Amino acid sequence: QKEVEQNSGPLSVPEGAIASLNCTYSDRGSQSFFWYRQYSGKSPELIMFIYSNGDKEDGRFTAQLNKASQYVSLLIRDSQPSDSATYLCAVNMDLRKRDDKIIFGKGTRLHILP
Amino acid sequence: EAGVVQSPRYKIIEKKQPVAFWCNPISGHNTLYWYLQNLGQGPELLIRYENEEAVDDSQLPKDRFSAERLKGVDSTLKIQPAELGDSAVYLCASSLVGGWDEQFFGPGTRLTVL
Repeated sequence: QKEVEQNSGPLSVPEGAIASLNCTYSDRGSQSFFWYRQYSGKSPELIMFIYSNGDKEDGRFTAQLNKASQYVSLLIRDSQPSDSATYLCAVNMDLRKRDDKIIFGKGTRLHILP
Repeated sequence: EAGVVQSPRYKIIEKKQPVAFWCNPISGHNTLYWYLQNLGQGPELLIRYENEEAVDDSQLPKDRFSAERLKGVDSTLKIQPAELGDSAVYLCASSLVGGWDEQFFGPGTRLTVL
């Protein structure tokens, strides 16, 4: 059974601080990792993707991947009230095989305190 | 560039009635996904198409759900008959080259089964 685990939260972070969101996955063959943001009543939108071990930075967002520990995280620096949303971790195996699954975690609700 | 279009946005039906959802992906996107999302949960994949071929429909409840993607563009998801537990948001997403690529989500159809 392929699983993606996230703490459902809510995670409350003061404005201007760093928000740290974590995700673990069960399938060692997973190759692609995505973070989506979903505002209440809206559809998910991509924030970051990462394929290789290490860090990937984009503006205030940093994705971190550790395949040995089967762990992926998202850091949001200088958190803003507009960052308040649910953050979904999605994991996908290499689709050159055909028996993989696209699995989303349940999401972590992030609340930035003004 | 137009995004993923879904219709209807909202649907209320009595149990045992049929219902259909329509999705038009972003032009040129070969991969199309249908997801089901319950409140407080992440999207759950129902079916994935590569062009007109359903390459992953293992999570589609085939006794009552059916889907088609004619000519590899638009797609329709049908439920017949609907049950109370089918109340959820049905999301359509598309991507350019498959599951390792960014998925663009439509606004979703909120289904309420009474």
